[in-house]
Amino acid sequence: DTEVTQTPKHLVMGMTNKKSLKCEQHMGHRAMYWYKQKAKKPPELMFVYSYEKLSINESVPSRFSPECPNSSLLNLHLHALQPEDSALYLCASSQDRGSREAFFGQGTRLTVV
Amino acid sequence: GDSVTQMEGPVTLSEEAFLTINCTYTATGYPSLFWYVQYPGEGLQLLLKATKADDKGSNKGFEATYRKETTSFHLEKGSVQVSDSAVYFCALNPSGGYQKVTFGTGTKLQVIP
Repeated sequence: DTEVTQTPKHLVMGMTNKKSLKCEQHMGHRAMYWYKQKAKKPPELMFVYSYEKLSINESVPSRFSPECPNSSLLNLHLHALQPEDSALYLCASSQDRGSREAFFGQGTRLTVV
Repeated sequence: GDSVTQMEGPVTLSEEAFLTINCTYTATGYPSLFWYVQYPGEGLQLLLKATKADDKGSNKGFEATYRKETTSFHLEKGSVQVSDSAVYFCALNPSGGYQKVTFGTGTKLQVIP
C-alpha cells in the first residue's frame, strides 16, 4: 500500500466556518507534510510533522491549525479563512524527515466563499 | 539557495511526437532529482527519480538523466500520447531531507490527437 488518502476531495466553506482536512497513510512513514498549491503554481510547504511532533511551520497564519493525532493521521483544521486561501491542499508522507522521496495524496480542493 | 528552472509552457505536441522538457538546477552538494506529474484535478505522482550523477530515471516511457556537468535533468519521451497531457514538475531534494525539496514552476504539456 503506497497510498496517501485525503478527505474530502472537495470542500466549500464560508469565511465563518470551521472545517478540517484529513490525511491518512499506512506505510509506516514517520514524516508527514501539508502543502498548499495555487493554480498554475508549484506546491508550497506549510507544515512538517516528524514522529507526531510539529517540526516546521513555514510562517503559516494561525487560521490554519495542524494536528497529528497518531503516526498514520494528519489533520488540518481551518477557521475564519479568507477567499485567497482557496487552493489545492496536498498531504505527503515520507519514511522520515531525512528521506529523499515522498508520496503525495490526491489533494483537497478548497473553495472559501 | 537551491533553485530549479523549468522551461515555460504550455508545450503543445501532436500524438506520437518526441517530448523534451528542460530542467536545470542550482544546488550545493549532491541533491536527488525528481520529476512529478500532476493530471488535471489531481495530486502529484512521482514519475521518476535519480539520486546521483549519471543515473538515469525511467518510468512509463519517460526518461531523464542526472547530468552534474550541465546541472540538468531534462525529461524525454519518444512518443507522447493524449493521456500524457498534464503538468510536469522538476524537483530537487538536497541532502538535508525532504522538507527542503524545491519544485520548479511546472510545465504544462498538451498532446493533441
